[in-house]
Amino acid sequence: GENVEQHPSTLSVQEGDSAVIKCTYSDSASNYFPWYKQELGKRPQLIIDIRSNVGEKKDQRIAVTLNKTAKHFSLHITETQPEDSAVYFCAAKIQGAQKLVFGQGTRLTINP
Amino acid sequence: NAGVTQTPKFQVLKTGQSMTLQCAQDMNHNSMYWYRQDPGMGLRLIYYSASEGTTDKGEVPNGYNVSRLNKREFSLRLESAAPSQTSVYFCASTIWQGAVNQPQHFGDGTRLSIL
Repeated sequence: GENVEQHPSTLSVQEGDSAVIKCTYSDSASNYFPWYKQELGKRPQLIIDIRSNVGEKKDQRIAVTLNKTAKHFSLHITETQPEDSAVYFCAAKIQGAQKLVFGQGTRLTINP
Repeated sequence: NAGVTQTPKFQVLKTGQSMTLQCAQDMNHNSMYWYRQDPGMGLRLIYYSASEGTTDKGEVPNGYNVSRLNKREFSLRLESAAPSQTSVYFCASTIWQGAVNQPQHFGDGTRLSIL
């Protein structure tokens, strides 16, 4: 079955700097890759997603890139702000399957 | 439009007790999911229901049962609670449109402690 590895598990950056979180997946049939943000004590919320027919997608300060050949995708946050501090999860969905497989999460801390 | 609603929000049980976690969505989604979240383990799928009338095991189904009551509601039952089932439980839903992938929407979670 699908396996998703996420790195790093913790990340600390200075406010205003960029943060990058990387995920690798095992099944080449995966075709959908969402990213979720979870603040302390809250529900996971979708922040951006990408489909396998696209190499990059941006939404203001957030971008996701996908390399299907290498089977990895990354979340990029630019001009980080204190409110970006949270746990971020990547996930992958195999074509035809009706479920997601999540990475283990990255705790991002933005230092003022 | 409440989205995904989970009840209860908190629960403390004794080992061996049973209980049912309730989940309802008002987004006309056809697929629903139950996850558990433990520190450092991410979100692990317990059971899911791709459509009304079907249920399937996820990654960690042992000790749980589910019921898809109707299109809106999907419940998770612990028949004999064990301390290892102490966790935060999230329900999620999405609309399955064949080849078109849509994101899952999560409820606020149920924080369950088994003593």
